[in-house]
Amino acid sequence: SQQGEEDPQALSIQEGENATMNCSYKTSINNLQWYRQNSGRGLVHLILIRSNEREKHSGRLRVTLDTSKKSSSLLITASRAADTASYFCATDGTGANNLFFGTGTRLTVIP
Amino acid sequence: DAGVIQSPRHEVTEMGQEVTLRCKPISGHDYLFWYRQTMMRGLELLIYFNNNVPIDDSGMPEDRFSAKMPNASFSTLKIQPSEPRDSAVYFCASRKGQGREETQYFGPGTRLLVL
Repeated sequence: SQQGEEDPQALSIQEGENATMNCSYKTSINNLQWYRQNSGRGLVHLILIRSNEREKHSGRLRVTLDTSKKSSSLLITASRAADTASYFCATDGTGANNLFFGTGTRLTVIP
Repeated sequence: DAGVIQSPRHEVTEMGQEVTLRCKPISGHDYLFWYRQTMMRGLELLIYFNNNVPIDDSGMPEDRFSAKMPNASFSTLKIQPSEPRDSAVYFCASRKGQGREETQYFGPGTRLLVL
């Protein structure tokens, strides 16, 4: 399976702290995306990083990619209660036209 | 645009009944994906369409599942007969373009409970 795995499965932090989530995958990729899912809602795209990029920023989000280790990390700085959600990484896999989603990290930010 | 629209949002049915889930993709999007999400298996791709044509249905679990896309603005996922293990949240997503960097836009999901 190309499905990625997020680590940790669950993370609980205080508001204002940074949250780091990791994703590992199995096959070569063209890009890796991170999505967010609020409880009872669909997934929302956050950020995409290409296989030839090592780091990317978007607002309070910082994504890194290490293709040699087949891993990525998502850092949310200065977390807010509204960041409480599940976060998924998704890879395309070379030749694939669809995405393969990881198992998700459930983040709880305590006010 | 209203985004991807799914109906119904919740469905409770009894084992053996037919269930039909509906999806309206974002206008202009030429790819449509059906996913199933459960605690045990996470988010699984069931089938996806390009320009209304099914491209990959290898994720469809059994012959009890079928999906159609009669036109660019409507797709259905049907389960007949339904079983309790089909209980899950079913998501529809759409995407514009073939580029692998294109974002998928998800609907709110249909929460299905089969008793």
